[in-house]
Amino acid sequence: DADVTQTPRNRITKTGKRIMLECSQTKGHDRMYWYRQDPGLGLRLIYYSFDVKDINKGEISDGYSVSRQAQAKFSLSLESAIPNQTALYFCATSLSGESGKQYFGPGTRLTVT
Amino acid sequence: AQSVTQLDSHVSVSEGTPVLLRCNYSSSYSPSLFWYVQHPNKGLQLLLKYTSAATLVKGINGFEAEFKKSETSFHLTKPSAHMSDAAEYFCVVSGTSYDKVIFGPGTSLSVIP
Repeated sequence: DADVTQTPRNRITKTGKRIMLECSQTKGHDRMYWYRQDPGLGLRLIYYSFDVKDINKGEISDGYSVSRQAQAKFSLSLESAIPNQTALYFCATSLSGESGKQYFGPGTRLTVT
Repeated sequence: AQSVTQLDSHVSVSEGTPVLLRCNYSSSYSPSLFWYVQHPNKGLQLLLKYTSAATLVKGINGFEAEFKKSETSFHLTKPSAHMSDAAEYFCVVSGTSYDKVIFGPGTSLSVIP
């Protein structure tokens, strides 16, 4: 079984809808991250969490919110989806003190029409 | 402040020939540097990392990278390309503890039979 899983893997939604992307990990890592990937822009950090009670905004948090329900679960929500949020979304985990060494999920391809 | 530049957005090589993917970084302190690979429709996977030990770092699948402080570079090389090496490669810089893990924009590697 994969160490970092994301659901759904693909999602098409309409403008204005609320959508949640979920991430679960079995690695026992305390740190979790949400990124979006757009062609030519690499990965951009949306939110990160050092533990259940420590959540921080990344460089592009506007329009997104997160919830760390447990050490193993980190959800990303789009409260009112817009077309420019169409992207590939990745969840990642790491140990504290080794933030550059991250383990990624397979990604969620989100299309907002 | 930290930043990372990948000098080529796309590299194309013939199977069996050497691979060179270029990365330059900027950091106000000794950075940790990483290369990640992303195969089509997959998440990112760590190839190798440099964390101030040996300047020549060996990774998985025959890849290696050399840290050159004087040139602020961390280029990724492989002596002989395989078809399975075709993927997107990301150079990453990070500082201490969490602290801003910065992904480069990526280099797409094509391998011609």
